[in-house]
Amino acid sequence: EDQVTQSPEALRLQEGESSSLNCSYTVSGLRGLFWYRQDPGKGPEFLFTLYSAGEEKEKERLKATLTKKESFLHITAPKPEDSATYLCAVQASGGTASKLTFGTGTRLQVTL
Amino acid sequence: KAGVTQTPRYLIKTRGQQVTLSCSPISGHRSVSWYQQTPGQGLQFLFEYFSETQRNKGNFPGRFSGRQFSNSRSEMNVSTLELGDSALYLCASSVGRGGEQYFGPGTRLTVT
Repeated sequence: EDQVTQSPEALRLQEGESSSLNCSYTVSGLRGLFWYRQDPGKGPEFLFTLYSAGEEKEKERLKATLTKKESFLHITAPKPEDSATYLCAVQASGGTASKLTFGTGTRLQVTL
Repeated sequence: KAGVTQTPRYLIKTRGQQVTLSCSPISGHRSVSWYQQTPGQGLQFLFEYFSETQRNKGNFPGRFSGRQFSNSRSEMNVSTLELGDSALYLCASSVGRGGEQYFGPGTRLTVT
């Protein structure tokens, strides 16, 4: 069974204090690993897709990386507007092509 | 391009009733997936529809069902509601099976 574990559960940073969020996964065959951002009361917002180990994607202050067992979301010089829950999900290859298996997320709070 | 829309946004029902939720995917997207989000379990996959056919199903009882129409719009139905069905129900669409999924704002269902 596919599994995704995210750490830490919660993270509090000061504005400008860089850090990384971790996503460890177990999947029979990885089709893709996805990062989403979710604000309270809203649906998840798509950020990145990573397909193979060694791949990196960047968007503003965020950079996602992928190895064979885990993914990291690096946040450089965060701002208060980066406060949200960050969700990681995996999609397995094969017959369950569309199903996303999510981790429970990391709640990020960025303070002034 | 308009995003995924879900109606209604909020619902309050009593135990034993049934409910129907609606999802309109992004134009051109043919796959619609449904997820249940609760504080304890996080995001859990319910089912996926592609070309009006259910292609994949998660581990939920038969009280949860859905359908997709020829214009790719989808509905999900929950019969004989239980208190534990209180959750945020999210719909996500993608161009085809697999790949990035884009989420709607969700329907908040409260069962009393």
